[in-house]
Amino acid sequence: AQSVTQLDSQVPVFEEAPVELRCNYSSSVSVYLFWYVQYPNQGLQLLLKYLSGSTLVKGINGFEAEFNKSQTSFHLRKPSVHISDTAEYFCAVSPSGSARQLTFGSGTQLTVLP
Amino acid sequence: DAGVIQSPRHEVTEMGQEVTLRCKPISGHDYLFWYRQTMMRGLELLIYFNNNVPIDDSGMPEDRFSAKMPNASFSTLKIQPSEPRDSAVYFCASSIAGGGYNEQFFGPGTRLTVL
Repeated sequence: AQSVTQLDSQVPVFEEAPVELRCNYSSSVSVYLFWYVQYPNQGLQLLLKYLSGSTLVKGINGFEAEFNKSQTSFHLRKPSVHISDTAEYFCAVSPSGSARQLTFGSGTQLTVLP
Repeated sequence: DAGVIQSPRHEVTEMGQEVTLRCKPISGHDYLFWYRQTMMRGLELLIYFNNNVPIDDSGMPEDRFSAKMPNASFSTLKIQPSEPRDSAVYFCASSIAGGGYNEQFFGPGTRLTVL
């Protein structure tokens, strides 16, 4: 079984500042890792994914994440945030080879302040 | 493409009533997933189907919950009888088959309130 821990439930940050949202996972097998974004009153949208290969993954809207196997982490970063990035962000994991059974973290609310 | 369609978007009902949530997956997708999102438990997978057949329903909380997929373009999640603790946002997602990774596309969700 897999589990995901998102260490911060809320992250306030000023516009144009950098941000890092933290995610740690636990699994006895190799995994796929994902970040999803949920805007108010909407469904989840895939931001980026790690399947294999390069540990630095780039996604939409200028976000990137780095897979660190030794630290079992997959932190999400953006060098300069915008007001429109205000949303809830979810880290998720699945056994590699299939993304059928996603296990989600509890989410991090990112609030970008003017 | 219209994306995953869910109805209703909001549902308010009284305890003990039957509730039916509906989902239309993206055309051509043959996996369908039902999730529940609550403040206490976060986002949980309830059940998923492949080619209209339930594959894993281990996340269904109780016998009060049932899900069906009568055809490739329609699925329902039913709660009977409903209880206040069922209040949550219910998401439907779909994906295509194939080896390796296939992205799940989420619908906008149904916000259920049981009074």
